[in-house]
Amino acid sequence: QSALTQPRSLSESPGQSVTISCTGTASDVGRYNYVSWYQQHPGDVPKLMIYDVSSRPSGVPDRFSGSKSGNTASLTISGLQSEDEADYYCFSYAGNGGLFGTGTKVTVL
Amino acid sequence: QVQLVQSGAEVKKPGASVKVSCKASGYTLTTHHLHWVRQAPGQGPEWMGMINPSTETTTYAQKFQGRVAVARDTSASTVHLELSSLRSEDTAIYYCARQANSGWFSFDYWGQGTLVTVS
Repeated sequence: QSALTQPRSLSESPGQSVTISCTGTASDVGRYNYVSWYQQHPGDVPKLMIYDVSSRPSGVPDRFSGSKSGNTASLTISGLQSEDEADYYCFSYAGNGGLFGTGTKVTVL
Repeated sequence: QVQLVQSGAEVKKPGASVKVSCKASGYTLTTHHLHWVRQAPGQGPEWMGMINPSTETTTYAQKFQGRVAVARDTSASTVHLELSSLRSEDTAIYYCARQANSGWFSFDYWGQGTLVTVS
């Protein structure tokens, strides 16, 4: 099983929106609605931002939203803020385990 | 409050085994699946396996089958990861992560990480 595919990096100005894609296959992202997203600042532990494709844990700002179409899941960050600059990883259940994405570095210009 | 506290950094020689522990507090160990994730330097996370502490059922990523074992000690509220036949590519930070109340295979609390260096 290969890692899910994400763009290596994305950049956008404060206040704008950015959407990170996460492409898998019909055996993982396409088959299950168990996609989660994690934010990781340098030297820090990953933080859960989205679970079950589009649900937000308590405490996560509603600027973060998730969706899925076919084999591709997406994380959208609206109204970008400086503290959103981080690495983002998707993760999908794959039936007998799970797969992380390759990761996307989001830079706030 | 929920906390996962892991054992300290390890340095191992190739071919050796390493055991990393994860002590849970603030909740009952048997109520949530516990996963292990590793992250090599400069790389993304990689899911290794999980245990249902209530039933002791384990599931491992195919990549690690045969050289990984996860076990729990409910009396100590601790889960252990053991990885054998270590090679340089196993150098990474190893995290334990609790499966969330809501969300199958999503991880709401993480340990602080344990650096394992194979050299």
